[in-house]
Amino acid sequence: GAGVSQSPSNKVTEKGKDVELRCDPISGHTALYWYRQSLGQGLEFLIYFQGNSAPDKSGLPSDRFSAERTGGSVSTLTIQRTQQEDSAVYLCASSRVAGVAETQYFGPGTRLLVL
Amino acid sequence: KQEVTQIPAALSVPEGENLVLNCSFTDSAIYNLQWFRQDPGKGLTSLLLIQSSQREQTSGRLNASLDKSSGRSTLYIAASQPGDSATYLCAVRNNDMRFGAGTRLTVKP
Repeated sequence: GAGVSQSPSNKVTEKGKDVELRCDPISGHTALYWYRQSLGQGLEFLIYFQGNSAPDKSGLPSDRFSAERTGGSVSTLTIQRTQQEDSAVYLCASSRVAGVAETQYFGPGTRLLVL
Repeated sequence: KQEVTQIPAALSVPEGENLVLNCSFTDSAIYNLQWFRQDPGKGLTSLLLIQSSQREQTSGRLNASLDKSSGRSTLYIAASQPGDSATYLCAVRNNDMRFGAGTRLTVKP
């Protein structure tokens, strides 16, 4: 079966522009997570969705970041007015449910470069 | 705030060696700990998941241990192979997941 997919795989943008990153989770997985990995640093949790519940946005670094999950499947992470410090790899993961015992399966990531 | 540290940051070994990667965390009130492998240009691959009530998990040549009280986990790789070359990440789960910065492993033929 297909794993988690993300698009685009690479994105170069100019400072101040908005970007949208897409994640397609594994079919049937109700939990979806976004992480950010900056150069030389560990992954940083951004946001997660569980079914139709309100998302946990506690990891979003600023109000320029937002995410949606339509129909309980595909998710879009939007970064408005991008800054150079937003340059990172953005990883999406999904799990069957959001339980703590559930393994998360990761996509290949989107490499974002803000010039 | 949970902090996760991985030592060493990079490791290079000849093929066939056994090796240990270390992970430490500051808040022992975790639900589980997970080891991942990250290959360039690819997403993370889950290797082993240890629940807080467990002390170790094994999969093939991999063995992960967890000492929750001391905030430590190790990933043991037996008889290393060049295909094991990757970055290895550990992550602990409280209410969210916190990742270490990873250990970049190179296994030389």
